[in-house]
Amino acid sequence: DIRMTQSPSTLSASVGDRVTITCWASQSISNSLAWYQQKPGKAPKVLMYRASTLQSGVPSRFSGTTSGTEFTLTISSLQPDDFATYFCQQFAEFPVTFGQGTRLEI
Amino acid sequence: EVQLVESGGGLVQPGGSLRLSCAISGFIFSDHHMDWFRQAPGKGLEWLGRSRNKGRGYSTEYAASVKGRFTVSRDESNNLLFLHMNSLQTEDTAVYYCARLPHASINSFHFDFWGQGTLVTVSS
Repeated sequence: DIRMTQSPSTLSASVGDRVTITCWASQSISNSLAWYQQKPGKAPKVLMYRASTLQSGVPSRFSGTTSGTEFTLTISSLQPDDFATYFCQQFAEFPVTFGQGTRLEI
Repeated sequence: EVQLVESGGGLVQPGGSLRLSCAISGFIFSDHHMDWFRQAPGKGLEWLGRSRNKGRGYSTEYAASVKGRFTVSRDESNNLLFLHMNSLQTEDTAVYYCARLPHASINSFHFDFWGQGTLVTVSS
């Protein structure tokens, strides 16, 4: 199975900050990666797919980059609504696997 | 409006069975692959299985952890996706989600719509 390692597990930040979350794949997955946001008691919401394609309706302060097997999600200027947990997900091969999550807190 | 609504969760004894349903609306069910996931309390997401679209013959894939115990199926006429779960154990306790993959034209296997989840508790 492809292992997705996400860092950090917790991130403390303030409104207006620029933050970056990183995910490493245990093997090459090309750009077969998506990022999700999840709030307590809610289903995940896709933010980005194909590593850097913004899902329709997602604010442009979210962006994604890739370098080999390293993937980053950047939020350029944190808004109050952004405090949540973020997951990466690879879909290069079965089984679909997720990072363990980054909890973004104030 | 795309909607996915899970139901069928509840309390079940170890060794028992349960069938979860995911009622879909707002899109052509047969055009889309559909997956099931679960999330144990305080844990991350675990993929369970896939039902491919009509063009792929509704073929299925499963995670090793549930293969042989869980089965994904569809009722296309009633726009329902099912997860049949057998031999349930305490470690199967989780919120279970169904999710849709985008249309094949998007050429991406992420999940663009999710249900709200249904809680399954396995306990004696």
